[in-house]
Amino acid sequence: EAGVAQSPRYKIIEKRQSVAFWCNPISGHATLYWYQQILGQGPKLLIQFQNNGVVDDSQLPKDRFSAERLKGVDSTLKIQPAKLEDSAVYLCASSLGQLAFFGQGTRLTVV
Amino acid sequence: KQEVTQIPAALSVPEGENLVLNCSFTDSAIYNLQWFRQDPGKGLTSLLLIQSSQREQTSGRLNASLDKSSGRSTLYIAASQPGDSATYLCAVRRWNNDMRFGAGTRLTVKP
Repeated sequence: EAGVAQSPRYKIIEKRQSVAFWCNPISGHATLYWYQQILGQGPKLLIQFQNNGVVDDSQLPKDRFSAERLKGVDSTLKIQPAKLEDSAVYLCASSLGQLAFFGQGTRLTVV
Repeated sequence: KQEVTQIPAALSVPEGENLVLNCSFTDSAIYNLQWFRQDPGKGLTSLLLIQSSQREQTSGRLNASLDKSSGRSTLYIAASQPGDSATYLCAVRRWNNDMRFGAGTRLTVKP
């Protein structure tokens, strides 16, 4: 069974630029999560989708972050414009039933 | 809102020791609790999942317990090895699939 795929693995951008991350969940998984993990901290939930609907985006900084999950499969997370404090690993996870599975993450460095 | 706390933040032990990692959560109305391992620069690997109706789960040298009423879970690692060195994260999921993490325990096992 293929796992959760994320791309790119690494991204370096200058502040005020825009960036997008892509996630392909495990086939058939209805729930998809995006997390932000700052170095030394636990993952912080940004947004949770159930199929193509948003369940929780209360911690998503909506002035600069956006996410979509068209057709209830792949998802993209965008930051525009990026700030220095957005430097982190962005993790995507998917779930069907009890277990959640994570991708390798995208490490974003904003300089 | 679910708050998840992990103690200790860091732990260093000699090889062969048995150890306990702690996770506490504020809302006992949970769906399940999942323990993950994270190696530096990597994504999250699932170790054990405890459903809300269960009290413990075992896999090899790992044993996880759950006490919903007190809002606590422990991860017990027997006969620790240098290869166990990693960050251990607990994630608590509610019935709407909302999944929140603790900050993690960084474990170092010295040869």
